[in-house]
Amino acid sequence: AQSVTQLDSQVPVFEEAPVELRCNYSSSVSVYLFWYVQYPNQGLQLLLKYLSGSTLVKGINGFEAEFNKSQTSFHLRKPSVHISDTAEYFCAVSDRGTYKYIFGTGTRLKVLA
Amino acid sequence: DSGVTQTPKHLITATGQRVTLRCSPRSGDLSVYWYQQSLDQGLQFLIQYYNGEERAKGNILERFSAQQFPDLHSELNLSSLELGDSALYFCASSGDREAEAFFGQGTRLTVV
Repeated sequence: AQSVTQLDSQVPVFEEAPVELRCNYSSSVSVYLFWYVQYPNQGLQLLLKYLSGSTLVKGINGFEAEFNKSQTSFHLRKPSVHISDTAEYFCAVSDRGTYKYIFGTGTRLKVLA
Repeated sequence: DSGVTQTPKHLITATGQRVTLRCSPRSGDLSVYWYQQSLDQGLQFLIQYYNGEERAKGNILERFSAQQFPDLHSELNLSSLELGDSALYFCASSGDREAEAFFGQGTRLTVV
């Protein structure tokens, strides 16, 4: 069965510092990988996705993620964060056949001034 | 705006009652997903429909049921409500061309 692990429940970081949010997945089938962001009192918004091809994926708001098949990881990075990046970030995996999405438990990113 | 519409935005009801949450997917999307988000359980997949048929089932209680209608909108029915059912319920939709799901703003259910 598929599963997604986000090891860090909370990540505090100072403004303009780099950040990495970790995501590991387990799956026996080919999958698609996603990062979503949820701002307070809002739905989830897609940040970026990996379907195939280049393992480095660039998304919105300056975020990028790298797919590492051997380590079954899909870590999210941003070289310089802003206060407005404060939100909850979810990693997700979906089965290529059914598009059944499995989400991680989320990482709360808090950017400090 | 994701194009996914959920109604109502907020719902307050008493224990033991039944409610219906509605979701209109993005135009043309055949897949609809329902999720429950609570503080202690995180984001839980409940159920997925594709073109009117159930495709995948997650941690959905027997007191909960869903359906997708011919016009592709979906309803999630929650019955015999308990305090622990208080949560944010999200609907998402996806099409055959894109892999990602597009989320609605959610319905916040409070059971008192």
